[in-house]
Amino acid sequence: SQTIHQWPATLVQPVGSPLSLECTVEGTSNPNLYWYRQAAGRGLQLLFYSVGIGQISSEVPQNLSASRPQDRQFILSSKKLLLSDSGFYLCAWRGRWPEQFFGPGTRLTVL
Amino acid sequence: AQTVTQSQPEMSVQEAETVTLSCTYDTSESDYYLFWYKQPPSRQMILVIRQEAYKQQNATENRFSVNFQKAAKSFSLKISDSQLGDAAMYFCAYRTPGGSSNTGKLIFGQGTTLQVKP
Repeated sequence: SQTIHQWPATLVQPVGSPLSLECTVEGTSNPNLYWYRQAAGRGLQLLFYSVGIGQISSEVPQNLSASRPQDRQFILSSKKLLLSDSGFYLCAWRGRWPEQFFGPGTRLTVL
Repeated sequence: AQTVTQSQPEMSVQEAETVTLSCTYDTSESDYYLFWYKQPPSRQMILVIRQEAYKQQNATENRFSVNFQKAAKSFSLKISDSQLGDAAMYFCAYRTPGGSSNTGKLIFGQGTTLQVKP
């Protein structure tokens, strides 16, 4: 069966520090991968999606970036975090079915 | 652009009773998918139910069912025999058709927090 992992689960970082969040999927190949951000008590905002290795599409201009170095690995990065980057980050994958399946998420607090 | 609207920020239901959560969407597409996701306090998003726009029959998954009204662009979720474990935030989502890239991006509503009273 397929599983999706995210780490770290929680992260507290100072403003201006770098960021690297990792997402990996097991049990499937060539999935579509997605990064979402959820502000407190609100809906999900799509940040990036990828249909294959090295293929990244950005939905929202910001100081975040994404990379897909391997088929089942998706990384969200920043060179310098802002206070507004705080939130809950969710990674999701989609196979040949229309629905997306989500990871457990990373709670990021920027101080 | 497609939009999804959930007009009920909060709802409550007595345990064992039935509750309906509302969702409307706007699209010019004729073929698409609609979903309801549940987000419990752990904050992991869990798929509850899926509806294909080309199917007239409403989807059902155990105690969860939808009322899909394509012409009205309405997609409500009915939870029967509510349980304490149903307490969560519920999100309605629309999937873009995707086109040639078949990205299938999800567009989410703002969510409805459901409280279940014992």
